[in-house]
Amino acid sequence: DVKVTQSSRYLVKRTGEKVFLECVQDMDHENMFWYRQDPGLGLRLIYFSYDVKMKEKGDIPEGYSVSREKKERFSLILESASTNQTSMYLCASSNNGAGGEQYFGPGTRLTVT
Amino acid sequence: AQSVAQPEDQVNVAEGNPLTVKCTYSVSGNPYLFWYVQYPNRGLQFLLKYITGDNLVKGSYGFEAEFNKSQTSFHLKKPSALVSDSALYFCAVRGTGFQKLVFGTGTRLLVSP
Repeated sequence: DVKVTQSSRYLVKRTGEKVFLECVQDMDHENMFWYRQDPGLGLRLIYFSYDVKMKEKGDIPEGYSVSREKKERFSLILESASTNQTSMYLCASSNNGAGGEQYFGPGTRLTVT
Repeated sequence: AQSVAQPEDQVNVAEGNPLTVKCTYSVSGNPYLFWYVQYPNRGLQFLLKYITGDNLVKGSYGFEAEFNKSQTSFHLKKPSALVSDSALYFCAVRGTGFQKLVFGTGTRLLVSP
């Protein structure tokens, strides 16, 4: 079974703090993704990566950066957390096969106070 | 541009009755279509996908979905609903050659005993 793990299930941070969210997948997938999920808005793509050291902006990259130094690990960084970044953050991975279905981690619920 | 519409925020159905969760899409080229389910405080779980072939796709937990090219729809169905099917359901689409998924806003399914 594909396993995608995220470093924290719940996180509380203060405004202005630098926040690191880490994601690890164990299936040698080429592609990794970071989404945020907010009620009524569904999932919105923040950043994604097709390969090690490669990154592409998604639909809402402002206020975020990412790092992919190893194939299995994809980190999301909030340089200076703000209250409007309070959300559920979901990591996913997929391979380049015909289906390309994404496999998701359990999510990190981040609260910025 | 790719897009997905889930026209119902919530679907209510009695246990034992058939259920349908609606999804329509817009994509250039041939679509790859997916359904995911999310239980409270969990990540998304892959249910089923359509890539090519039979218009009726069978997936996990007795769910199936019907691809209709002329109506650009991919409705999720189950012949007999269970209370445990109560969850949030997301439809997603990607075009050929793209790895990014575009998600709908989700439909909450509530199955009453």
